[in-house]
Amino acid sequence: DIQMTQSPPSLSASVGDRVTITCRASQGISNRLNWYQQKPGKAPKLLIYDASILQTGVPSRFSGSGFGTDFALTISSLQPEDFATYFCQQYDNIPRTFGQGTRLDI
Amino acid sequence: QVKLEESGPGLVKPSQTLSLTCTVTGDSVTSGDHFWTWVRQSPGRGLEWIGNIFYSGNSYYNPSLQSRVSISLDTSKNQFSLKMTSSTAADTAIYYCARGAHWLDPWGQGTLVTVSS
Repeated sequence: DIQMTQSPPSLSASVGDRVTITCRASQGISNRLNWYQQKPGKAPKLLIYDASILQTGVPSRFSGSGFGTDFALTISSLQPEDFATYFCQQYDNIPRTFGQGTRLDI
Repeated sequence: QVKLEESGPGLVKPSQTLSLTCTVTGDSVTSGDHFWTWVRQSPGRGLEWIGNIFYSGNSYYNPSLQSRVSISLDTSKNQFSLKMTSSTAADTAIYYCARGAHWLDPWGQGTLVTVSS
């Protein structure tokens, strides 16, 4: 299985901050990487697919980058509704695998 | 608007079969445009991909679960289902159904299944 390692596991930030979460794959996965946001008691929500393509309806303050083994999710100016847990997921191989999550707190 | 909703028993006894159904509205499980996927989430295992199925009936499973899992379609009800045999406490999790093979969107709201006697 491809292991997905996110860092940091948790992050404290303030409204208006720029934050970056990273995800590293245990082997090269080209751009086959997605990002999800999950709020307490809710299902994950797709934010970015193919490493850098914003899902319809997702605010432009979210962006994704990376290729191969190293990827990043950046939020340019944190809003109150962005405090949540974020997961990466690869689809280069079966089984699809997820990172362990990054919890973003105020 | 596409919606998915999981249903099934919230409590399963050890060694029994866990069975869940996902009802799809706003899309057809036979459209040929998407795979239909099951994922589970637990504090110990995080998010775990279980498997998926295509309208043709082709299915793919997580090798770690393959011996115990099957996913099927009910085209008459626009549903797809998960069966997991020989349940143990380690199968206690929130189970989600979702649309997609590569990225998952949308997801159902999830259903908690507890394996306990």
